[in-house]
This record gives sequence, C-alpha cells and structure tokens, in this order.
Amino acid sequence: KQEVTQIPAALSVPEGENLVLNCSFTDSAIYNLQWFRQDPGKGLTSLLLIQSSQREQTSGRLNASLDKSSGRSTLYIAASQPGDSATYLCAVTGTASKLTFGTGTRLQVTL
Amino acid sequence: GAGVSQSPSNKVTEKGKDVELRCDPISGHTALYWYRQSLGQGLEFLIYFQGNSAPDKSGLPSDRFSAERTGGSVSTLTIQRTQQEDSAVYLCASSLVPFTGGSTDTQYFGPGTRLTVL
Repeated sequence: KQEVTQIPAALSVPEGENLVLNCSFTDSAIYNLQWFRQDPGKGLTSLLLIQSSQREQTSGRLNASLDKSSGRSTLYIAASQPGDSATYLCAVTGTASKLTFGTGTRLQVTL
Repeated sequence: GAGVSQSPSNKVTEKGKDVELRCDPISGHTALYWYRQSLGQGLEFLIYFQGNSAPDKSGLPSDRFSAERTGGSVSTLTIQRTQQEDSAVYLCASSLVPFTGGSTDTQYFGPGTRLTVL
C-alpha cells in the first residue's frame, strides 16, 4: 500500500526566505506526482504536476523536483510571501489511477 | 472558464438520514474523482469515473456509500443512513484525460461540501 509522508508538518518562516518542503513515498511505481495548496475552508489548487519520466517542473517562484527511485520529491519556494501561507500537499498517482495524498505541511510566512 | 463546482457547500443532517452531494466537473473533462477529508486525517480517495468505463469504487468505506455519473458529466455521491463518522469535507475533482503523460493528467478540485452529521 502506498504511503506518502511530508516533512515538516508545520513551518514558520519570515517573509523573503527561500524554503523547501519534503515529500516521500514508499512505492516508486508512480505515474505522476502533484503538489497542491489548500487554503483554510477551501478546496485544493494544483501547483505543479511532474510525470514519472520528469525530474522537475517550475512555475514562477515554485520549483518541484522528483527522484522516483528514492521515492522523494521537494517543493522549493523562492522569496516567500505572506500570501504563500497555506497547507501544501503532495500526492502521487499509482496504477490504480487514484491520488494518494501526503499528510501536508502547514506553512506560515510572517511579515 | 468555470471550474469544478459542488453543492451544497455545507450540509447538516441527523444521524440515520440519507444525503446527496453533487459535483459538476469542468466541461469536457472525462475523469471525475471523489475524495474525503476528515478532521485530523488526510485526504482519502473514494471513487473514480473515467468515460464509460466501470467506476473504480475501491475507496468507498462501506456499502452505505454510492455514486453515479450521469451522461458523463454531473456526479452524485449518496450516503445512506449517515453516521457521525461520515462527518467530513467531501471533495470532487476532474481531469481532462488522465494517463496521457501530460498536463491533461492534472486534477482540478472543487471547493468541497462540508457534511456534519449530528
């Protein structure tokens, strides 16, 4: 059974800092990995999707990497802003077509 | 264009009653997913529809849960004889064409329905 873990569970950083969120998964037989953000009381917003054959994806200040063989992904956020405060979730798609979600990292960017 | 919509946004019901939750996917998306997010727990998969294929129901927690997708578009998740442990946020997502190896795999989520069973 696929298990997805995210470290740290919570993170507080001052505005302007660069930060890294970590995601690990136990079964490397994945089809893709997706990073989402969730704001309180709202649904999920897709940030980046990395196919299993890719190593990284970039969107603006966000960069996600994937090392499928070691079962790891990182989300790098450059020059953090208070608006980046949210819960960040990684999720992997396996052969069963469904997403298996991580436990999430709650990020707080302070002024 | 319009995103995934869900209704109602909030539902409060009494234990033992049946509830129906609705999801309108993005127009043209062939795949539709239901997930559940319980307090203190992560998101868990419930059911997946892809085109005219038989749905993947492997995530449904009990036979009180069922879902259908009419005309390849709107989906309804039904919970019969609700229990307090059914209280959660139910999220629906859709994707254009999954498993193509491209951006069409991306799942887009609705705002969710918060279900409270008293």
